[in-house]
Amino acid sequence: SYELTQPPSVSVSPGQTARITCSGNALPKQYAYWYQQKPGQAPVLLMYKDSERPSGIPERFSGSSSGTTVTLTISGVQAEDEADYYCQSADSSGTYKVVFGGGTKLTVL
Amino acid sequence: QLQLQESGPGLVKPSETLSLTCTVSGGSISSSSYYWGWIRQPPGKGLEWIGSIYYSGSTYYNPSLKSRVTISVDTSKNQFSLKLTSVTAADTAVYYCARLDGGYGSGTLPRWGQGTLVTVSS
Repeated sequence: SYELTQPPSVSVSPGQTARITCSGNALPKQYAYWYQQKPGQAPVLLMYKDSERPSGIPERFSGSSSGTTVTLTISGVQAEDEADYYCQSADSSGTYKVVFGGGTKLTVL
Repeated sequence: QLQLQESGPGLVKPSETLSLTCTVSGGSISSSSYYWGWIRQPPGKGLEWIGSIYYSGSTYYNPSLKSRVTISVDTSKNQFSLKLTSVTAADTAVYYCARLDGGYGSGTLPRWGQGTLVTVSS
């Protein structure tokens, strides 16, 4: 199977910068996507193709990629950003078309 | 605005078959640009891809579930469906349907249904 690894939790104070990483062997070859999920809600797409932001997503959310790791950065974290964040990608063999990371709980202190 | 809505029984008995339907409105399921997928999330846990289907009927499944999953499409009703056989308590989850933007069953999921909780219990 193919796995994407995320830290289970990240904590930051309001106004600080939060960085959430996602690691996977195929990430140099496959795009990564990021989703935000708040309790009781469906996931919302935050980032596509590693660093592209859909319309309506605040500019404080950004994405980057380096080797086998992609990073979601939230600048100037706000209380409303407290949520679970998931990365998503695919393996390089074409077997696993959609794979999610285990998710990261962002806590705003 | 494209909308997706899951429907089906909220309670399924162990060893039986889970059946859900996703109705797409505000757009055509027959668009050549998209796949359509099912994702689930057990209570308190992460997201798991189940599988995806193209309007032509071409499917891709999660290898870990492939032996129990069938996804089908009905373009006349603008719907696609999920069947999961021989369910156990481990299949208890919120089941989401979503649109998948990309080729060959991979890509991003910009549109999701609200999700429906399916509990497996006798």
